[in-house]
Amino acid sequence: NAGVTQTPKFQVLKTGQSMTLQCAQDMNHNSMYWYRQDPGMGLRLIYYSASEGTTDKGEVPNGYNVSRLNKREFSLRLESAAPSQTSVYFCASSSSPTGDKPQHFGDGTRLSIL
Amino acid sequence: QKEVEQNSGPLSVPEGAIASLNCTYSDRGSQSFFWYRQYSGKSPELIMSIYSNGDKEDGRFTAQLNKASQYVSLLIRDSQPSDSATYLCAVRDTGANSKLTFGKGITLSVRP
Repeated sequence: NAGVTQTPKFQVLKTGQSMTLQCAQDMNHNSMYWYRQDPGMGLRLIYYSASEGTTDKGEVPNGYNVSRLNKREFSLRLESAAPSQTSVYFCASSSSPTGDKPQHFGDGTRLSIL
Repeated sequence: QKEVEQNSGPLSVPEGAIASLNCTYSDRGSQSFFWYRQYSGKSPELIMSIYSNGDKEDGRFTAQLNKASQYVSLLIRDSQPSDSATYLCAVRDTGANSKLTFGKGITLSVRP
């Protein structure tokens, strides 16, 4: 009963490097989300996908790209990492495409950029 | 920009007491409200959903919603040290999108 699985759990990058954070859910959910969480800032939405084939910007999309590969998978890419992107990244999913059902979170990816 | 405000905290209560966590929101049309608990170093986990005015009880937890006053609260009865965590309030944005806006959270400490 995996739920939402994120890989990797930890990553250290150098400034300018690129990487992709992976997220997969096995709950047949329609909507998927990427958040970042920084101390004192709460959870901030980066990008979301209300349904397979659609993606939309959230509150803090700059420096990121996403791909909804299929219904199960939603990846987040940092093309040229910057120290300001050091954060904990959470992927979440929800059964409802309209947001009126709870979101379920993965365990997070702790990303440090030097 | 839709806003969700939570008491800045931290909140400290003795074991066995009632902890009251409050949240106000700016989007008058919001219809769906959620409380999440987040232990240090862990991911948020859902505690309660509430959609209608009034109280909703689940074990030691009670969510209260007042749409006219635009606030939602979470009461934890018989608080236990294991309840020590950060509690996040989340409100669904109105409109066709599917986004939630999260408050910054309040940290609760239950003293043995």
